[in-house]
Amino acid sequence: EEQLVESGGGLVQPGGSLRLSCAASGFSFSDHYMDWVRQAPGKGLEWVGRIRNKANRYTTEYAASVKGRFTISREDSENSLYLQMNSLKTEDTAVYYCARTYSSSWGLDPFDIWGQGTMVTVSS
Amino acid sequence: DIQLTQSPSFLSASVGDRVSIACRASQGISSYLAWYQQKPGKAPKLLIYAASTLQSGVPSRFSGSGSGTEFTLAISSLQPEDFATYYCQHLNGYPRTFGQGTIVEIK
Repeated sequence: EEQLVESGGGLVQPGGSLRLSCAASGFSFSDHYMDWVRQAPGKGLEWVGRIRNKANRYTTEYAASVKGRFTISREDSENSLYLQMNSLKTEDTAVYYCARTYSSSWGLDPFDIWGQGTMVTVSS
Repeated sequence: DIQLTQSPSFLSASVGDRVSIACRASQGISSYLAWYQQKPGKAPKLLIYAASTLQSGVPSRFSGSGSGTEFTLAISSLQPEDFATYYCQHLNGYPRTFGQGTIVEIK
């Protein structure tokens, strides 16, 4: 079964840091672009960022709201995706989902597999 | 950035109804649009991509149409399991914006 499982969420103070992990199984993780999406309590979905695969040099894209504070990385040998979050703000409070992109073709890269999400709460 | 506006934001319907949800993009995005369904406490589920291509395993009562700036998700005969929130997302550049969502509730 193709699966993504996030971990690492929790309560952190404003200005603090947290690292989320996403463990992939059941598919060839290294082939796929991977994304992070978040959802604040009672709100809609917000795309956070993407990391491409090795063939595309592991390049990244970020939403303006997190650029410079968040870093996406991956370890293909461990089938793992990471989200390093620094300088956290109260508005970063959300459920964070990792998601697999369907393909690397432009415009044909929706998110076809999602994790169950991990909650991050930024509060003093 | 490309903005996506969904309408309506809330829809009340009965089992068996045909319903449509619109998604308007702030600039042309060809057919680079996806639709997702999300139930409370669950991760989103991909329904449609490339505006009209049904994801594997998704019931055929779901359909998508449109191109450029105007898109529609239709459900031909609403089933009890279809009551959820629906989001569109563009796949044409970054950031990969989502619409604000449409809640489909039981009348």
